[in-house]
This record gives sequence, C-alpha cells and structure tokens, in this order.
Amino acid sequence: AQSVTQLDSQVPVFEEAPVELRCNYSSSVSVYLFWYVQYPNQGLQLLLKYLSGSTLVESINGFEAEFNKSQTSFHLRKPSVHISDTAEYFCAVSSSGGGADGLTFGKGTHLIIQP
Amino acid sequence: DTGVSQNPRHKITKRGQNVTFRCDPISEHNRLYWYRQTLGQGPEFLTYFQNEAQLEKSRLLSDRFSAERPKGSFSTLEIQRTEQGDSAMYLCASSLGMNQPQHFGDGTRLSIL
Repeated sequence: AQSVTQLDSQVPVFEEAPVELRCNYSSSVSVYLFWYVQYPNQGLQLLLKYLSGSTLVESINGFEAEFNKSQTSFHLRKPSVHISDTAEYFCAVSSSGGGADGLTFGKGTHLIIQP
Repeated sequence: DTGVSQNPRHKITKRGQNVTFRCDPISEHNRLYWYRQTLGQGPEFLTYFQNEAQLEKSRLLSDRFSAERPKGSFSTLEIQRTEQGDSAMYLCASSLGMNQPQHFGDGTRLSIL
C-alpha cells in the first residue's frame, strides 16, 4: 500500500514571494511521482512528473520539484508566485511495479496568493 | 488532442435513482481511469481499463457502482440506488499506458437530493 501526505492544507503567500508546497509519500516499492493543479470547478491538470532520471523536474510555468528518495519527499517550489497561481495543488504517487495503476493522491494544498 | 470529455457536467437526482456518467478519453489513449473526489479531499481511485478490459475493480465503493468500456473507447460509470453519500465529483482520466501521466476531464458533479 502507498500513501501521500501533504503537510499543509493552506499556504498563504504574497505575490512575487517564493513558495514551497510539501509532499511526503510512503511506499514499499519504487514509485513515480506527480504534481497536479486544480482550478475551481475544473479537473486536474498535470504540472510535472518524476518517472526516472534527474531528480529535479521543472514545469513550463516556473514550478520545480525535487525527488528525494532518502526523505521520501517530492516538494514543489516556485521562486516567485503570481496571482494566477492561486489554486489547489495535489501530489500523487503510482507504483512503478505494475499492478493497480491508479494514482494515490494527497489531500491537497490550497495556495492562496495575496496581493 | 481534444482532451478528456465528461458528460454531463452536473447531475442532480433524488436519492434512490440510478445515474450514469460518460467519459470520452483522448483518442490514442488505451488506459481509462475513474476517480471520485469529495469536498476538501484528493481524488480517490475507483477503477481502470486497458482497452475494453477492466483490470481493477476492487476499489469500487460498493456493488452499486459499475463501469464499462464496451469497445475500448468511451466509458460509462453507473451508480444504482443513489445515496446521500454518493454526492461528489466523479473524474475520468486517460493515459497512453502503464505509469504514463494521466490526463483528466473536468468531471461530473453529482448532487443527491
């Protein structure tokens, strides 16, 4: 079994400030890791993914996340946030060993950008 | 790439009625997934298909829930004898294959009166 913990349910940040959204996972097998963003009344959009290779992954809109196997973490960071980044962010994990292929999600972190 | 399409966007029904939701995946994706999302929670995996084969259904919430993908293209999720606790957003996703990124639709919001 695997699980995801997002330690903060809400993170308020001033515009243009840096932000880190924390994600820790638990799994007995190797995993793939994902961050998704959800805007109100919409589905989830893939922000970035770690499947293999470099442990630092980046998205096209300035977010990055680093896979840390020893700390079982996959924290999301952005050096300077914008009002448009206000949304719910979900960390998710899937097993790389096959079997049930559904994602296991954390409870989400609501990023609130203050002007 | 027209994205994953879900219909209807909203469904309001009385307790005890049956409901059916439809999902049209991205055309070249052979894997299709169903999730349920309740308020303030992350999505919860329910079931998935590879082509027309339903490979995992033990996570379906009860025997009132069933899903089909008869021709390996669109899928339907049916809930029989709906209950208050079934009120949620039902999300569909599709992917190119195992452990490939899943692309989500905008969901169907179910409200039980």
